[in-house]
Amino acid sequence: QKEVEQDPGPLSVPEGAIVSLNCTYSNSAFQYFMWYRQYSRKGPELLMYTYSSGNKEDGRFTAQVDKSSKYISLFIRDSQPSDSATYLCAMSAIQGAQKLVFGQGTRLTINP
Amino acid sequence: GAVVSQHPSRVICKSGTSVKIECRSLDFQATTMFWYRQFPKQSLMLMATSNEGSKATYEQGVEKDKFLINHASLTLSTLTVTSAHPEDSSFYICSASGSGTYQETQYFGPGTRLLVL
Repeated sequence: QKEVEQDPGPLSVPEGAIVSLNCTYSNSAFQYFMWYRQYSRKGPELLMYTYSSGNKEDGRFTAQVDKSSKYISLFIRDSQPSDSATYLCAMSAIQGAQKLVFGQGTRLTINP
Repeated sequence: GAVVSQHPSRVICKSGTSVKIECRSLDFQATTMFWYRQFPKQSLMLMATSNEGSKATYEQGVEKDKFLINHASLTLSTLTVTSAHPEDSSFYICSASGSGTYQETQYFGPGTRLLVL
Protein backbone atom coordinates (compact mmCIF):
# COMPACT_ATOMS: atom_id res chain seq x y z
CA GLN A 1 0.00 0.00 0.00
CA LYS A 2 1.33 3.42 -0.95
CA GLU A 3 1.75 5.97 1.81
CA VAL A 4 -0.29 8.49 -0.17
CA GLU A 5 -3.08 7.53 -2.54
CA GLN A 6 -4.43 9.91 -5.17
CA ASP A 7 -6.77 9.10 -8.03
CA PRO A 8 -4.80 9.87 -11.22
CA GLY A 9 -7.95 10.69 -13.18
CA PRO A 10 -8.19 12.06 -15.75
CA LEU A 11 -10.93 14.34 -14.47
CA SER A 12 -12.83 16.52 -16.94
CA VAL A 13 -15.39 19.14 -15.88
CA PRO A 14 -17.13 22.10 -17.55
CA GLU A 15 -15.96 25.64 -16.93
CA GLY A 16 -17.49 27.16 -13.82
CA ALA A 17 -17.91 23.85 -12.00
CA ILE A 18 -16.65 23.17 -8.50
CA VAL A 19 -13.78 20.71 -8.56
CA SER A 20 -12.94 18.39 -5.69
CA LEU A 21 -9.55 16.70 -5.57
CA ASN A 22 -8.64 14.26 -2.82
CA CYS A 23 -5.83 12.27 -1.27
CA THR A 24 -5.79 9.65 1.44
CA TYR A 25 -2.77 8.65 3.46
CA SER A 26 -1.74 5.96 5.89
CA ASN A 27 1.00 7.58 7.98
CA SER A 28 -0.57 9.23 11.05
CA ALA A 29 2.66 11.18 11.62
CA PHE A 30 1.97 13.47 8.67
CA GLN A 31 1.17 16.96 9.90
CA TYR A 32 2.06 19.25 7.01
CA PHE A 33 0.00 19.08 3.84
CA MET A 34 0.52 20.75 0.51
CA TRP A 35 -1.12 20.99 -2.88
CA TYR A 36 0.98 21.66 -5.95
CA ARG A 37 -0.18 22.46 -9.46
CA GLN A 38 1.92 21.26 -12.37
CA TYR A 39 1.37 22.36 -15.93
CA SER A 40 2.61 20.12 -18.70
CA ARG A 41 6.41 20.11 -19.00
CA LYS A 42 6.80 22.51 -16.06
CA GLY A 43 7.86 22.18 -12.44
CA PRO A 44 5.26 22.00 -9.64
CA GLU A 45 3.96 25.28 -8.24
CA LEU A 46 2.90 25.50 -4.59
CA LEU A 47 -0.81 26.28 -4.29
CA MET A 48 -1.75 25.63 -0.69
CA TYR A 49 0.08 24.78 2.52
CA THR A 50 -1.73 23.68 5.67
CA TYR A 51 -0.73 22.41 9.06
CA SER A 52 -2.75 19.77 10.93
CA SER A 53 -6.53 19.59 10.56
CA GLY A 54 -8.79 22.36 9.36
CA ASN A 55 -9.61 24.49 6.36
CA LYS A 56 -7.62 27.12 4.51
CA GLU A 57 -8.97 29.37 1.80
CA ASP A 58 -7.09 31.36 -0.83
CA GLY A 59 -9.18 32.96 -3.53
CA ARG A 60 -10.97 30.23 -5.47
CA PHE A 61 -9.02 27.48 -3.71
CA THR A 62 -9.90 25.80 -0.41
CA ALA A 63 -7.80 23.12 1.23
CA GLN A 64 -9.27 20.82 3.85
CA VAL A 65 -7.46 18.40 6.13
CA ASP A 66 -9.19 15.72 8.20
CA LYS A 67 -6.48 13.98 10.17
CA SER A 68 -8.93 11.66 11.91
CA SER A 69 -9.88 10.19 8.53
CA LYS A 70 -6.42 10.67 7.02
CA TYR A 71 -8.04 12.53 4.14
CA ILE A 72 -7.23 15.84 2.47
CA SER A 73 -9.09 17.75 -0.20
CA LEU A 74 -8.60 20.67 -2.54
CA PHE A 75 -11.67 22.50 -3.83
CA ILE A 76 -11.57 24.81 -6.83
CA ARG A 77 -14.54 27.14 -7.23
CA ASP A 78 -15.57 28.76 -10.51
CA SER A 79 -13.09 26.59 -12.38
CA GLN A 80 -11.38 28.10 -15.41
CA PRO A 81 -9.71 26.51 -18.44
CA SER A 82 -6.41 27.87 -17.06
CA ASP A 83 -6.87 25.56 -14.07
CA SER A 84 -6.29 22.60 -16.39
CA ALA A 85 -3.17 20.91 -15.00
CA THR A 86 -2.01 18.02 -12.86
CA TYR A 87 -2.60 18.54 -9.14
CA LEU A 88 -0.24 16.82 -6.71
CA CYS A 89 -0.84 16.43 -3.01
CA ALA A 90 2.22 16.19 -0.80
CA MET A 91 2.77 15.74 2.90
CA SER A 92 5.45 15.45 5.53
CA ALA A 93 5.80 14.64 9.20
CA ILE A 94 8.35 17.31 10.01
CA GLN A 95 8.30 21.02 9.30
CA GLY A 96 11.24 22.34 7.42
CA ALA A 97 10.66 20.97 3.95
CA GLN A 98 12.07 17.60 4.81
CA LYS A 99 11.28 14.62 2.66
CA LEU A 100 7.89 15.13 1.06
CA VAL A 101 5.71 12.20 0.10
CA PHE A 102 3.75 12.90 -3.06
CA GLY A 103 0.54 11.51 -4.42
CA GLN A 104 0.46 10.31 -8.00
CA GLY A 105 -1.21 13.48 -9.19
CA THR A 106 -4.66 14.03 -10.71
CA ARG A 107 -4.91 15.28 -14.29
CA LEU A 108 -7.67 17.89 -14.47
CA THR A 109 -9.18 19.38 -17.61
CA ILE A 110 -11.63 22.29 -17.51
CA ASN A 111 -13.67 22.45 -20.69
CA PRO A 112 -14.77 25.87 -21.98
CA GLY B 1 9.62 35.47 -3.77
CA ALA B 2 10.88 31.87 -3.71
CA VAL B 3 11.99 31.60 -7.31
CA VAL B 4 14.04 28.62 -8.39
CA SER B 5 15.57 28.36 -11.84
CA GLN B 6 17.08 25.46 -13.75
CA HIS B 7 19.42 25.39 -16.68
CA PRO B 8 19.25 24.07 -19.29
CA SER B 9 15.52 23.60 -19.74
CA ARG B 10 16.11 20.95 -22.35
CA VAL B 11 19.13 18.93 -23.39
CA ILE B 12 19.78 16.24 -25.97
CA CYS B 13 22.99 14.27 -25.74
CA LYS B 14 24.62 11.16 -27.12
CA SER B 15 24.83 7.97 -25.12
CA GLY B 16 28.00 7.83 -23.03
CA THR B 17 28.37 11.56 -22.52
CA SER B 18 27.89 13.46 -19.26
CA VAL B 19 25.32 16.16 -18.72
CA LYS B 20 25.28 18.83 -16.01
CA ILE B 21 22.07 20.46 -14.81
CA GLU B 22 22.13 23.60 -12.66
CA CYS B 23 19.58 24.58 -10.05
CA ARG B 24 19.60 28.09 -8.58
CA SER B 25 17.57 29.81 -5.89
CA LEU B 26 17.24 33.39 -7.13
CA ASP B 27 15.85 35.29 -4.18
CA PHE B 28 16.58 33.23 -1.09
CA GLN B 29 19.34 31.15 0.38
CA ALA B 30 18.69 27.45 -0.15
CA THR B 31 20.11 25.49 2.74
CA THR B 32 18.62 22.30 1.33
CA MET B 33 18.08 21.28 -2.26
CA PHE B 34 16.30 18.23 -3.60
CA TRP B 35 16.57 16.47 -6.94
CA TYR B 36 13.68 14.56 -8.45
CA ARG B 37 13.00 12.74 -11.67
CA GLN B 38 9.61 12.36 -13.21
CA PHE B 39 8.53 9.94 -15.92
CA PRO B 40 5.54 10.76 -18.15
CA LYS B 41 2.22 10.74 -16.31
CA GLN B 42 3.91 9.72 -13.08
CA SER B 43 4.60 11.55 -9.86
CA LEU B 44 7.92 12.91 -8.68
CA MET B 45 10.52 10.45 -7.49
CA LEU B 46 13.04 11.84 -5.03
CA MET B 47 16.61 11.03 -6.05
CA ALA B 48 18.66 12.82 -3.43
CA THR B 49 18.76 15.55 -0.82
CA SER B 50 21.70 17.89 -0.44
CA ASN B 51 22.61 20.39 2.23
CA GLU B 52 24.99 23.21 1.43
CA GLY B 53 28.56 22.15 1.99
CA SER B 54 27.72 18.52 2.72
CA LYS B 55 27.58 15.33 0.71
CA ALA B 56 24.22 14.50 -0.77
CA THR B 57 22.00 11.80 0.70
CA TYR B 58 20.74 9.47 -1.99
CA GLU B 59 17.50 7.54 -1.99
CA GLN B 60 17.59 3.78 -2.15
CA GLY B 61 18.22 2.54 -5.66
CA VAL B 62 19.79 5.77 -6.93
CA GLU B 63 23.41 5.34 -8.03
CA LYS B 64 25.47 8.08 -6.45
CA ASP B 65 28.36 7.50 -8.86
CA LYS B 66 26.05 8.00 -11.81
CA PHE B 67 24.14 10.99 -10.49
CA LEU B 68 26.71 13.35 -9.01
CA ILE B 69 25.28 16.14 -6.89
CA ASN B 70 27.17 19.20 -5.74
CA HIS B 71 25.74 21.87 -3.46
CA ALA B 72 28.68 24.21 -3.15
CA SER B 73 26.83 27.41 -2.30
CA LEU B 74 23.56 28.55 -0.78
CA THR B 75 22.17 29.42 -4.20
CA LEU B 76 23.48 26.70 -6.49
CA SER B 77 23.27 22.94 -6.76
CA THR B 78 24.28 20.85 -9.75
CA LEU B 79 23.29 17.39 -10.90
CA THR B 80 25.65 15.64 -13.30
CA VAL B 81 24.40 12.57 -15.11
CA THR B 82 27.56 10.66 -15.95
CA SER B 83 27.84 8.30 -18.91
CA ALA B 84 24.23 8.90 -19.78
CA HIS B 85 22.19 6.14 -21.41
CA PRO B 86 18.78 6.23 -23.11
CA GLU B 87 17.10 4.92 -19.94
CA ASP B 88 18.28 8.09 -18.17
CA SER B 89 16.00 10.13 -20.42
CA SER B 90 13.53 11.82 -18.11
CA PHE B 91 12.33 15.11 -16.64
CA TYR B 92 14.64 16.22 -13.85
CA ILE B 93 13.30 18.73 -11.33
CA CYS B 94 15.07 20.41 -8.45
CA SER B 95 13.53 22.07 -5.44
CA ALA B 96 14.90 24.20 -2.66
CA SER B 97 14.09 25.25 0.86
CA GLY B 98 15.73 27.78 3.12
CA SER B 99 15.30 29.41 6.48
CA GLY B 100 12.52 31.50 7.97
CA THR B 101 9.50 31.65 5.68
CA TYR B 102 11.31 29.56 3.11
CA GLN B 103 11.69 26.58 5.42
CA GLU B 104 8.02 25.62 5.43
CA THR B 105 8.06 23.72 2.18
CA GLN B 106 9.93 23.13 -1.06
CA TYR B 107 9.96 25.49 -4.01
CA PHE B 108 10.41 23.84 -7.36
CA GLY B 109 12.33 24.76 -10.46
CA PRO B 110 10.81 24.53 -13.95
CA GLY B 111 12.52 21.23 -14.72
CA THR B 112 15.05 19.98 -17.27
CA ARG B 113 14.05 17.56 -19.97
CA LEU B 114 16.90 15.18 -20.81
CA LEU B 115 16.88 13.06 -23.93
CA VAL B 116 19.74 10.61 -24.41
CA LEU B 117 20.10 9.24 -27.93
